[in-house]
Amino acid sequence: DGGITQSPKYLFRKEGQNVTLSCEQNLNHDAMYWYRQDPGQGLRLIYYSQIVNDFQKGDIAEGYSVSREKKESFPLTVTSAQKNPTAFYLCASGQLYEQYFGPGTRLTVT
Amino acid sequence: GENVEQHPSTLSVQEGDSAVIKCTYSDSASNYFPWYKQELGKGPQLIIDIRSNVGEKKDQRIAVTLNKTAKHFSLHITETQPEDSAVYFCAASTESRAGNQFYFGTGTSLTVIP
Repeated sequence: DGGITQSPKYLFRKEGQNVTLSCEQNLNHDAMYWYRQDPGQGLRLIYYSQIVNDFQKGDIAEGYSVSREKKESFPLTVTSAQKNPTAFYLCASGQLYEQYFGPGTRLTVT
Repeated sequence: GENVEQHPSTLSVQEGDSAVIKCTYSDSASNYFPWYKQELGKGPQLIIDIRSNVGEKKDQRIAVTLNKTAKHFSLHITETQPEDSAVYFCAASTESRAGNQFYFGTGTSLTVIP
């Protein structure tokens, strides 16, 4: 997991509530990424950012939002518009080619 | 966009035997191919990677081979040990104006039987 931290490890929310997942890195990496992991489906890209104050949508951005106000931080908000938010969320950061992952946050929405 | 396929989805081997996991990709522009190991409830850990200008790379018991013409790459683990049991993901990365994007296979659950 190196210098990438995600908090909390487990998160529970009621349906209809927005929730923000934290991701911080102290590796001085320019790029940061958010993935969603569901059983049997591998990792799917939600959003990524190559530089502060700029980010791009990934393959499954609908119902999610991000910000990149600081190089070290890339928080992900799961909005009430996300139809199936229960999943394991992984943050990653990288420089040039390489990409390293945080420990993940398991979000359960009931 | 890129499409990465990974086989097999599950693999069981006896301790000491070798394990091979194969991936194919569709975008000839992909130029970086990492492999990750994920233990239960944890984030994936980068274990080895290969760039498109190299055909093979080895690190102790782990090796990766790349065939650019056929667009496939493989992970080889020799002398497997119980602690090698995990889910392994391959990925392909393509550079773009917006930076590198990574496309992942669906994972292989490896079980090493003592």
